[in-house]
Amino acid sequence: QSALTQPPSASGSPGQSVTISCTGTSSDVGGHNYVSWYQQHPGKAPKLMTYEVSKRPSGVPDRFSGSKSGNTASLTVSGLQAEDEADYYCSSYAGGNNYVIFGGGTTLTVL
Amino acid sequence: EVQLLESGGGLVQPGGSLRLSCAASGIMFSSHGMYWVRQAPGKGLQWVSVISASGGITFYTDSVEGRFTMSRDNSRNTLYLQMNSLRAEDTAIYYCAKDIGIVGSPARAFDIWGQGTMVTVSS
Repeated sequence: QSALTQPPSASGSPGQSVTISCTGTSSDVGGHNYVSWYQQHPGKAPKLMTYEVSKRPSGVPDRFSGSKSGNTASLTVSGLQAEDEADYYCSSYAGGNNYVIFGGGTTLTVL
Repeated sequence: EVQLLESGGGLVQPGGSLRLSCAASGIMFSSHGMYWVRQAPGKGLQWVSVISASGGITFYTDSVEGRFTMSRDNSRNTLYLQMNSLRAEDTAIYYCAKDIGIVGSPARAFDIWGQGTMVTVSS
C-alpha cells in the first residue's frame, strides 16, 4: 500500500489561511471517514489536530479544520500564527495489514 | 497526569532482538486500542502495529509481520512490542499511541503519544 500523497511544502503569511491536501484512493481516504491530521514540531511527538475527517480533539483551536471530498482530504489552517510552523501528516484507515497509512508529510512555513 | 512512557530502545546488531514497553497512566488503558508508530531519522511517520482493547486482535504492517509481536497487559497498564530479526531499516524512533476512540468504536486516530524510544540496528 502506497503512502498517501501530500505536497512536500506549504506556506503563508501570518493571519492568512493555508490548505494542505492529502490524496489517497477509494480503499483508504475515499472509502472511510477515518482520516486524521497530525502536527509535529522538531524533536517532538506528533499531536492530533483533527480526526474522523472533521472532528477536533479538546484543546485544538478551531483555526484548524478538516474536510474530505472523494479520495482527497484537506487540512485548512486559518489565521496563521508563527507557532503553526511545523510538519503536518495526514493518515487514513485502510484495513487489515494496511490498518493505518500516513502521508509523506508537509512542512508548513509561516513567512 | 495522562502519560505514555516508552522504554527498551537501544543499539542492537542486525538479526538481534529488543522488547519495547509502554507504561500508561491517567487513562482507562483497557478501554482503548493501542498502536506502535515509528519514524526513521529525518523521515515521515509509519504505522507499525495495532492491538485491540482486549488484546485479542492484532495487525502488523507487512514489513514487520512475522518478526514483531505486539501484546498488552491490562492489569499492568502496559503495552509491549517484541522485535526479532531486526534489520537496519527498522532503525527509528518508536512511539506508542492511544486510540481516541473507545472499545467498540475505534477512531484509528492517536490522541496520546509517548515521547518515543530510539531503536538503532547497526553492526
